Amino acid sequence: AIQMTQSPSSLSASVGDRVTIACQASQDISNELGWYQQKPGKAPNLLIYAASILQSGVPSRFSGSGSGTDFTLTISSLQPEDFATYYCLQEYNYPHTFGQGTKLEIK
Amino acid sequence: EVQLVESGGGLVQPGGSLRLSCAASGFTLSDYYMDWVRQAPGKGLEWVGRSRNKANSYTTEYAASVKGRFTISRDDSKNSLFMEMNSLKTEDTAAYYCARITIHESSGSYHEKFDPWGQGTLVTVSS
Repeated sequence: AIQMTQSPSSLSASVGDRVTIACQASQDISNELGWYQQKPGKAPNLLIYAASILQSGVPSRFSGSGSGTDFTLTISSLQPEDFATYYCLQEYNYPHTFGQGTKLEIK
Repeated sequence: EVQLVESGGGLVQPGGSLRLSCAASGFTLSDYYMDWVRQAPGKGLEWVGRSRNKANSYTTEYAASVKGRFTISRDDSKNSLFMEMNSLKTEDTAAYYCARITIHESSGSYHEKFDPWGQGTLVTVSS
């Protein structure tokens, strides 16, 4: 199975900060990657698909980039509602695999 | 409005069985792939399995951790997805989510969108 490694595992930041979360695949997955946001007690929510395409309705401060094995999710200016856990997901092959998550906390 | 609602979770003893349901509304279930994803308490997300759509003969895929024990099926007449879970283990304790998969085509490549998700149903395997 393809392993997805996210870094950092947790991150403290302030409102207005620019933050970047990395996700590395154990093999080439082209751009078959999505990013999901999850708030406590809630289901995950799709932010980005195909590595860089913003899902409809998601604020433009979110962006994704990368291809092959290295990917990033960037939030250009953190808002209070962005404090959550973020997961990458590879859909290149089966089994699909998630990164372990990055918890974004308020500094 | 597109909506998914899971049900069927609960407390079950190790070795027992449980059947989860995912009721879909606002779209035609047979047109879509549908997945199950789980999350153990305080842990990350784990992909569990997939039911492809009618056009792809409802074929299925499973994670190694559940293959041979879990079976995904659907009743399109009821717009519902199911997951039969047998030989349950304590490590199967988790919130189970169903998700609709939309396939997006871009420059000749196909990409998956897990959207929306249900609210989840909690399965606890304990003696």
